[in-house]
Amino acid sequence: NAGVTQTPKFRILKIGQSMTLQCTQDMNHNYMYWYRQDPGMGLKLIYYSVGAGITDKGEVPNGYNVSRSTTEDFPLRLELAAPSQTSVYFCASSPQGADTQYFGPGTRLTVL
Amino acid sequence: QKEVEQDPGPLSVPEGAIVSLNCTYSNSAFQYFMWYRQYSRKGPELLMYTYSSGNKEDGRFTAQVDKSSKYISLFIRDSQPSDSATYLCAMISSTGGYQKVTFGTGTKLQVIP
Repeated sequence: NAGVTQTPKFRILKIGQSMTLQCTQDMNHNYMYWYRQDPGMGLKLIYYSVGAGITDKGEVPNGYNVSRSTTEDFPLRLELAAPSQTSVYFCASSPQGADTQYFGPGTRLTVL
Repeated sequence: QKEVEQDPGPLSVPEGAIVSLNCTYSNSAFQYFMWYRQYSRKGPELLMYTYSSGNKEDGRFTAQVDKSSKYISLFIRDSQPSDSATYLCAMISSTGGYQKVTFGTGTKLQVIP
């Protein structure tokens, strides 16, 4: 049981490039989340999903897109990367809602 | 004013000490309260969650919620060097069927052997 896995662990992008952050969970959880964590700031919710085919915006969705075609996978797409998207990105899943989230190890993204 | 305030620390204590970590909040709509532990360069790990005022104990950890004062605490008894990490409080409010989670910025704890 691997839990929540994220790839890649690290990535450097140039301004204007695009990329997809991968997230997979093997716990059959319906709820999945994407957060970003910046120094001195709390985790901020980007997008969330309550099941396959259902996604919705969180607190800071601008510049990002998501899809949820399967229960296991919840990729986060960055289009036209900007320096403001330099952050650590965490994916999380939950069996019942926001009170019991299991986090992945994170992806450290730098946009130069 | 932030909805959730948490002292960033760092907080340094000797091994075996009782640690008190705290968060205050301003939003009366918060209903659920959680504590996460985050080791350096790792994802947050859920330690405890509670829905009501009062105390909840799990091993060396006790979570305390005082809704009247809008104040939550996490106590760690017999602290160990392995407890050295950043501790995040988190709170949930339900708005239009959506559960919004607001995280504190975290308190860095160092337990010195």
